[in-house]
Amino acid sequence: SQTIHQWPATLVQPVGSPLSLECTVEGTSNPNLYWYRQAAGRGLQLLFYSVGIGQISSEVPQNLSASRPQDRQFILSSKKLLLSDSGFYLCAWSVSAGYGYTFGSGTRLTVV
Amino acid sequence: GIQVEQSPPDLILQEGANSTLRCNFSDSVNNLQWFHQNPWGQLINLFYIPSGTKQNGRLSATTVATERYSLLYISSSQTTDSGVYFCAVRIQGAQKLVFGQGTRLTINP
Repeated sequence: SQTIHQWPATLVQPVGSPLSLECTVEGTSNPNLYWYRQAAGRGLQLLFYSVGIGQISSEVPQNLSASRPQDRQFILSSKKLLLSDSGFYLCAWSVSAGYGYTFGSGTRLTVV
Repeated sequence: GIQVEQSPPDLILQEGANSTLRCNFSDSVNNLQWFHQNPWGQLINLFYIPSGTKQNGRLSATTVATERYSLLYISSSQTTDSGVYFCAVRIQGAQKLVFGQGTRLTINP
């Protein structure tokens, strides 16, 4: 069966420090991968998606970047964190865009 | 872009009650999912239901695609049903799964 792993679960980082969040999927190949952010309140916003190795599409211009160095690995990064980067970050995968999405357990990032 | 509206925004019920959550969307979709976000933040997939009716235990969902709405039914509510329920949709040709703002359900013992 397929599983999705996301780490770390929580992170407290100072303003201006770098960020690296990792997401991996097991039990499938060539998944579509997604990074979402849930800020204060309820809405989830798509940040990046990838349909293959090295293929990254950005939905919202911001202080973050994403990379997909391997088929089942998706990384969210920042060179210098801002206070506004605080939030709950969720990674998700799907077989393709027409199928259901499965989410990881999330990373709660607090920038101080 | 597509708009997704969920109602009610908040719902407080006693244990054992039944509830109906609604999701309206503004365009034709080929993917609709209901999620439950538990108190720890994890999004649990409840139903993948772009059309039709599905049931899983005390939960069931119906999507009427031609009228652009979906309903999530919870029967005999338990305190563990508390959390935020999200509806999310995707239109044909798009990668983005667009979320509604959620319904916060509180089940009191």
